[in-house]
Amino acid sequence: EDQVTQSPEALRLQEGESSSLNCSYTVSGLRGLFWYRQDPGKGPEFLFTLYSAGEEKEKERLKATLTKKESFLHITAPKPEDSATYLCAVQAYGGSQGNLIFGKGTKLSVKP
Amino acid sequence: EPEVTQTPSHQVTQMGQEVILRCVPISNHLYFYWYRQILGQKVEFLVSFYNNEISEKSEIFDDQFSVERPDGSNFTLKIRSTKLEDSAMYFCASSVSSRATNEKLFFGSGTQLSVL
Repeated sequence: EDQVTQSPEALRLQEGESSSLNCSYTVSGLRGLFWYRQDPGKGPEFLFTLYSAGEEKEKERLKATLTKKESFLHITAPKPEDSATYLCAVQAYGGSQGNLIFGKGTKLSVKP
Repeated sequence: EPEVTQTPSHQVTQMGQEVILRCVPISNHLYFYWYRQILGQKVEFLVSFYNNEISEKSEIFDDQFSVERPDGSNFTLKIRSTKLEDSAMYFCASSVSSRATNEKLFFGSGTQLSVL
């Protein structure tokens, strides 16, 4: 069964304290791995898509990496506005366009 | 920036009643989706829709659920006879039609459905 597991469930950081979020996945065949950000009461907001092991994508203070079994979202010198829940999702071969399997997310809190 | 719009933001209904959740996808998008998120749980895929027909549906999307694109702008999710376990946040999403896979989905802000 295709599955996505994220850790930790919650992470508290001080402003400027860098860290990483983990996404482990089990999928029959990976078409793509996605990172989304979700603010309270809002829908997920797209951050990155990664397609193959070794690939990296960056956006401002965020950097996503991918291996054959997991992905990391590295947050460098976070700011309070980075506080949100970060969701990882995979699209498997055999699934239709847009059929994403999500993890439960990591709730990030950044204190000033 | 274009966005997916969902109405209402909150819907309260009695068990057994029919509800219709409405969505206006981004205007040039042709793929549409419904997801749901039960409080504290994962975001779950319900259904994908393209070219006026369902492309794929999950096990959750049983005979009580239906989707429709009644006109050129709206996309609806109907639950015929709501159950307590249908209480969740329902997200509509859309993506651009192209031959590329792994297109990013644009999500709306959701409709919080409470079944009493």
